[in-house]
Amino acid sequence: SQQGEEDPQALSIQEGENATMNCSYKTSINNLQWYRQNSGRGLVHLILIRSNEREKHSGRLRVTLDTSKKSSSLLITASRAADTASYFCATGGGNEKLTFGTGTRLTIIP
Amino acid sequence: GAGVSQSPSNKVTEKGKDVELRCDPISGHTALYWYRQSLGQGLEFLIYFQGNSAPDKSGLPSDRFSAERTGGSVSTLTIQRTQQEDSAVYLCASSARTGLGEQYFGPGTRLTVT
Repeated sequence: SQQGEEDPQALSIQEGENATMNCSYKTSINNLQWYRQNSGRGLVHLILIRSNEREKHSGRLRVTLDTSKKSSSLLITASRAADTASYFCATGGGNEKLTFGTGTRLTIIP
Repeated sequence: GAGVSQSPSNKVTEKGKDVELRCDPISGHTALYWYRQSLGQGLEFLIYFQGNSAPDKSGLPSDRFSAERTGGSVSTLTIQRTQQEDSAVYLCASSARTGLGEQYFGPGTRLTVT
């Protein structure tokens, strides 16, 4: 079962623009993670934010977490063609199973 | 170092046949997970192994699905009497006990049941 919804389901932007994806979840969490998936195969871990954190940065990635609203956002700044992929939020981990959101398909137009 | 590997990368099988999918986790990772990704269902948890503890099988969709992990390392997911709805990408992941929860995924096995 899916933990929650992500929006938008699909997003197309010009190279160089910023991309923002949102994720909502249903249960209390210890942390929330974002993963990227290229070509429908293996997922790559991008960033993890703990429940007591509100914002976290990693390179061109910025993640926010609002536990009162049970939501998170992923911002990719200065997008590149190589950022084209599907992005998933996930809750759980910490040696527990991950429960994924529905994903956002991001297309960067050169 | 080597990441998670899975084999085969693609498998086409006839309905009713049994299939075995293999996962080699990252060396030293105590936790191993199987997930399934299909068009209609998104990413679904199947089963989780942690060290020598009894596995969490709560995500297995039917008794045709089983998995084992030998020697705390390699895992095999077996699907008996395959059905067309079993067609999906099967993903394996591993994680370290000392980690915060990041999971490291293999490239997946794309299973097609004809």
